[in-house]
Formats: sequence, structure tokens, C-alpha cells
Amino acid sequence: GENVEQHPSTLSVQEGDSAVIKCTYSDSASNYFPWYKQELGKRPQLIIDIRSNVGEKKDQRIAVTLNKTAKHFSLHITETQPEDSAVYFCAAGGSSNTGKLIFGQGTTLQVKP
Amino acid sequence: DAGVTQSPTHLIKTRGQQVTLRCSPISGHKSVSWYQQVLGQGPQFIFQYYEKEERGRGNFPDRFSARQFPNYSSELNVNALLLGDSALYLCASSYTGTGGYNEQFFGPGTRLTVL
Repeated sequence: GENVEQHPSTLSVQEGDSAVIKCTYSDSASNYFPWYKQELGKRPQLIIDIRSNVGEKKDQRIAVTLNKTAKHFSLHITETQPEDSAVYFCAAGGSSNTGKLIFGQGTTLQVKP
Repeated sequence: DAGVTQSPTHLIKTRGQQVTLRCSPISGHKSVSWYQQVLGQGPQFIFQYYEKEERGRGNFPDRFSARQFPNYSSELNVNALLLGDSALYLCASSYTGTGGYNEQFFGPGTRLTVL
């Protein structure tokens, strides 16, 4: 069935370092890959997304890469700051004619000052 | 410009009761999706509605139902509540329902506790 695996489950970095979160999806028909940031008690917020017709997308300190052949996609955060601390979720969608998103299990990122 | 709104914020029910959760999408958005987020896990897809029609259904029992109104707002109903239904219920709004453009924006959620 449809599945998205996300690693690592927890990640601790020093302020200023880079953080990388990786996801693998199972449905080869997926063509839309968003990343959400969720702070404690808050709603998931869309931070970046990528569609299957591109391999990389950047927005300031965050970037996402996609390897459709391997069915992998990754989130890269550079120059991390304490306010980046949150739970990050990857998701895959677009394989059916619906807006259904399959989410990964989440990565808790802690940025130490 | 209002984002996605949901009501109520919190809800406490007992086993066997029924609950109705409400969602208003971003103005101009025609699609509403419902997700269940159990503590410590990613959101799980329950339903999607687009133009008042069900577009997708996740792996949830028939106790879960939903509908969308002409103004694109939506209700999620859960009957015969179980302890395991305790979760954060999230509503997501998007412009269209199709797979080619499904940037989704989440509401603040309704925290349901079943005792």
C-alpha cells in the first residue's frame, strides 16, 4: 500500500549547523512532495514543496531535493537557528485524482543554541 | 485574510457518543480534506471533498462521515466514539481537488478527547 518512511525520528544539531531529513515513498505515481513544520500545539505549516518535474527547489535557508528513480526526497536546512526547532513532516501526494497526502512519521528537530 | 478555521478547539466526549467537527476553508478554496493526527504521529487522511462531492476516502471505518456545504465549509461526523478516536482532527484547504495542484493549508485543529 501507500507508505512514506521518514528518517531520522529525532535530530539534534548545534545552531549554525545544517540539518537533513530524508523520506522514501512507495507509490511511484506520486508527483507532489510537500514539507510541513509543526510546532508544539500548533497547526502543520507548509514550508516548501516540490513537484516531480524538478529535482531541486530552494527558498532561503531551506531546500528540497527529489530523486524520482529512487523514490527519495530530502529536506535540507542550512544555518539552523533555535526557532527551527519543531517537528517536520514530509508527505507524498498526487497519485490519484485527489488531494490525498500520505505523511511520514515526523522528525523532531532540536537546534541547540 | 482569514486562514482555515475550525471549531470547536477542544472537545471531550464519552465512549459511544457522537461528535461533529466543523471547518471553513480559505476564501476561494473549493476543496476540504480531513486528517486525524494521533499524538506523536503524522496526519492520516480521512476524507477529501471538492465541490460538495467526496473525492477520496482513507482507511477509516464507516463511523466516520463528512459532507461539504454550498459555501465549501465542511463537517466531519464520528459516531459511536471509541477511546482510540482521541486525536487532533485537522482540516486542510486547497484551491482544487486534483492531484496536479494540491497545495494544502491546515487549520488549527480540533482536539478530541474520548473518555
